[in-house]
Amino acid sequence: EGDLLESGGDLVQPGGSLRLSCAASEFTFSRFAMTWVRQAPGKGLEWVSGISGSGGSIYYADSVRGRFTISRDNTDNTLYLQMRSLRAEDTAVYYCAKVMSAFCGGDCYFDSWGQGTQVIVSS
Amino acid sequence: QSALTQPASVSGSPGQSITISCSGTSSDVGGYDYVSWYRQDPGKAPKLIIYGVAYRPSGVSNRFSASKSGSTASLTISGLRAEDEADYYCCSYTDNSTLVLFGGGTKLTVL
Repeated sequence: EGDLLESGGDLVQPGGSLRLSCAASEFTFSRFAMTWVRQAPGKGLEWVSGISGSGGSIYYADSVRGRFTISRDNTDNTLYLQMRSLRAEDTAVYYCAKVMSAFCGGDCYFDSWGQGTQVIVSS
Repeated sequence: QSALTQPASVSGSPGQSITISCSGTSSDVGGYDYVSWYRQDPGKAPKLIIYGVAYRPSGVSNRFSASKSGSTASLTISGLRAEDEADYYCCSYTDNSTLVLFGGGTKLTVL
């Protein structure tokens, strides 16, 4: 299914920015859509953003649209999440996940997950 | 947008069967056959156990089954084992502006 390794999580002040990375291996990265899912402390899963295999189709949750930007580098097998105007409610473990298909349309199923990277937004 | 509705907790004894429900609307669970289920052990990443309402990925035990009726999806675990203790999340495509919705999660306790 693939290996995923997130990095970039940190403690950041409200209003600040952070970029998360997810290095992929053991599968043909460009053939599959990718996604970010987050989990606030003690809370459930929340889908954040998705990007098609080519990078041509991008999707965001309402809660992050306009503040977060997803992107990918298919030559480097890396997924990114640029986060701006961070708020306390963005505090969470951020997981990157591989989608089972090239597009995150209706059949947006996440068959491989990274171990997560912690983002804390606090002054 | 509100998350899909799951019971906060369910429990069962070894060998029994339990069912976890996931209620949505016609914009998500009720309108499309794009429901999936994930299992999450404490401190671990989630794992896909059901996709497309009722399909099991390779390697997932056939003790796990799922279905959908109207706007409610269900996950059934039969022959309950101690190792089934975990949090379980349903997930669905939604035709609202947020593409994907998760349920709030259900903690399964094996008594």
